[in-house]
Amino acid sequence: QVRLVESGGGVVQPGNSLRLSCAGSGFTFRDYPLHWVRQAPGKGLEWVSMISFDGSNKHYAASVEGRFTLSRDNSRKTVYLQMESLRPDDTATYYCAREGGLGDSSGFWYFDVWGRGTLVSVTS
Amino acid sequence: DIQLTQSPSFLSASLGDRVTITCRASQGISRYLAWYQQKPGEAPKLLIYGASTLQSGVPSRFSGRGSGTDFTLTISSLQPEDFATYYCQHLNNYPYNFGPGTKINVK
Repeated sequence: QVRLVESGGGVVQPGNSLRLSCAGSGFTFRDYPLHWVRQAPGKGLEWVSMISFDGSNKHYAASVEGRFTLSRDNSRKTVYLQMESLRPDDTATYYCAREGGLGDSSGFWYFDVWGRGTLVSVTS
Repeated sequence: DIQLTQSPSFLSASLGDRVTITCRASQGISRYLAWYQQKPGEAPKLLIYGASTLQSGVPSRFSGRGSGTDFTLTISSLQPEDFATYYCQHLNNYPYNFGPGTKINVK
């Protein structure tokens, strides 16, 4: 069964740090780019960041650039999102998503596997 | 950055209705567009990618069209499990922004 499982969420004070993890199973983890998407309570989806299959390429949304850092350990089948200088507007459920489509004959890519999310609450 | 708008934001519909949601990109994205369905308390679910390719396992009542800047998602006959929020997302270049969503509720 193909799965992504996020962990590490919790309540943190503004200015503090938190590290989220996303563990994959049921597929060849090292072959896939992975993304983080967040959703503030009652709001829409916001793309946050991406890491390539080997960790050599990363992209971040402007709202988190310079504060969030992605890394991955393919031997542990895990991606890490290190979040620094957290702000109240970082409060959200954070989803990990797999980017499928590489090697797909369609030539397109998409987020085909999602975790259930982990809730981060930044509050004093 | 490429921005996406969706219309309508809210849609009231009945079982069996044909519904269409529109997604518009601020610049051309070819067919690098995906559609997702999200129900309360759940993760998003991929419905369509490449603007018109149905993800495996998704019912054929869902269909997508468009290219460039204008896209549509159509549900041909609304079923009880289709009452949810729908998001478009472009995957043309980073950031892979999402549209603001369209919530379909029971009329």
